[in-house]
Amino acid sequence: GAVVSQHPSWVICKSGTSVKIECRSLDFQATTMFWYRQFPKQSLMLMATSNEGSKATYEQGVEKDKFLINHASLTLSTLTVTSAHPEDSSFYICSARELAGGVYEQYFGPGTRLTVT
Amino acid sequence: GENVEQHPSTLSVQEGDSAVIKCTYSDSASNYFPWYKQELGKRPQLIIDIRSNVGEKKDQRIAVTLNKTAKHFSLHITETQPEDSAVYFCAAIKAAGNKLTFGGGTRVLVKP
Repeated sequence: GAVVSQHPSWVICKSGTSVKIECRSLDFQATTMFWYRQFPKQSLMLMATSNEGSKATYEQGVEKDKFLINHASLTLSTLTVTSAHPEDSSFYICSARELAGGVYEQYFGPGTRLTVT
Repeated sequence: GENVEQHPSTLSVQEGDSAVIKCTYSDSASNYFPWYKQELGKRPQLIIDIRSNVGEKKDQRIAVTLNKTAKHFSLHITETQPEDSAVYFCAAIKAAGNKLTFGGGTRVLVKP
């Protein structure tokens, strides 16, 4: 299957600082990428849909000014958590969509564990 | 929007026994149903999927069934092994739609 990478794999930052997470599709072009947040022992919660060359679409309750998404190319989307607070500590996972057999299949990155102190 | 419910939330089985996880969905237009396995601290991995024009699909010890009329689909794992221990997520999507909707997950523990 297709490969999606994510960087960094883990990061610790202080409250009030910003953190940028990168998501790359390594062997295919992804016009659409997704960003999820996952709290311990919970399901994946979609935060936003990132579309190449246009603004991201945010899910209800997700602050777009806090979670900045940029999808500047067909292989790269970035999520910047601005003015991070301890409650932003979570596992952030991106995924990229590939058209296969007439259906879009999603492949996930390895995730980024963010800890805000 | 789509709503996917998954049961049970936890499942403990003896090695060698079968495990069954059930999901229901609300949007009759959904027509692609993937299953993901997630080990602790790792990414979800697609293990099997089924499209709406098929009622059942099997891949070695894993099988998935789909009942479109009842809007439910199930994952069956036979001859379970300790390495099957993980969290499993079902999901649903419309082919023309944009985003996967995940179930709440099932934590499976296979006891040796």
